[in-house]
Amino acid sequence: LAKTTQPISMDSYEGQEVNITCSHNNIATNDYITWYQQFPSQGPRFIIQGYKTKVTNEVASLFIPADRKSSTLSLPRVSLSDTAVYYCLVVTNAGKSTFGDGTTLTVKP
Amino acid sequence: DTGVSQNPRHKITKRGQNVTFRCDPISEHNRLYWYRQTLGQGPEFLTYFQNEAQLEKSRLLSDRFSAERPKGSFSTLEIQRTEQGDSAMYLCASSLAAGLAGLKGGELFFGEGSRLTVL
Repeated sequence: LAKTTQPISMDSYEGQEVNITCSHNNIATNDYITWYQQFPSQGPRFIIQGYKTKVTNEVASLFIPADRKSSTLSLPRVSLSDTAVYYCLVVTNAGKSTFGDGTTLTVKP
Repeated sequence: DTGVSQNPRHKITKRGQNVTFRCDPISEHNRLYWYRQTLGQGPEFLTYFQNEAQLEKSRLLSDRFSAERPKGSFSTLEIQRTEQGDSAMYLCASSLAAGLAGLKGGELFFGEGSRLTVL
């Protein structure tokens, strides 16, 4: 399983765009990248998933360069309720993945 | 509400006692996962099932831990002779296998977790 590396913490202000980058140098050809969000005392919640280039949904965008050794989760115009821990996972086709310690995002007013 | 239900939500027990947690996944999901999470850490994989078959167990899962998924529906995680180090949040997740979810593997749907405190 490819190991992921993310910043431990990030601070932002309401209304700003937040970009969290994850490195996964050992990603395999068939692996894909998934991001989860977790609030205290809750289970992680799926945000977005991608294989290459750019994926966008109603809450976030995921940018994956051609070499796929990193990915960037982009949260547009964050609010206080986006304060949470964000996890980047590399997932195999067999569904195997490993959570790292995530990035704690704190959004300030 | 993700549709994955875990019970009990909280359990306080004394060291040496046995505890059992139950997870009811989303009904059409054929994969079920158990994770353990301690404060400040990401979830640690414990084991997973595809239907009723337990396909993988983490080395973290000592012989005091056992998980079952009879009939490929709900699952139970039992911890025997609990130790204080077992205190954690136990998370269950379910998903569709990659072949059923398209080219990519299915996203994991997590329950709210069962918090265990061993005194």
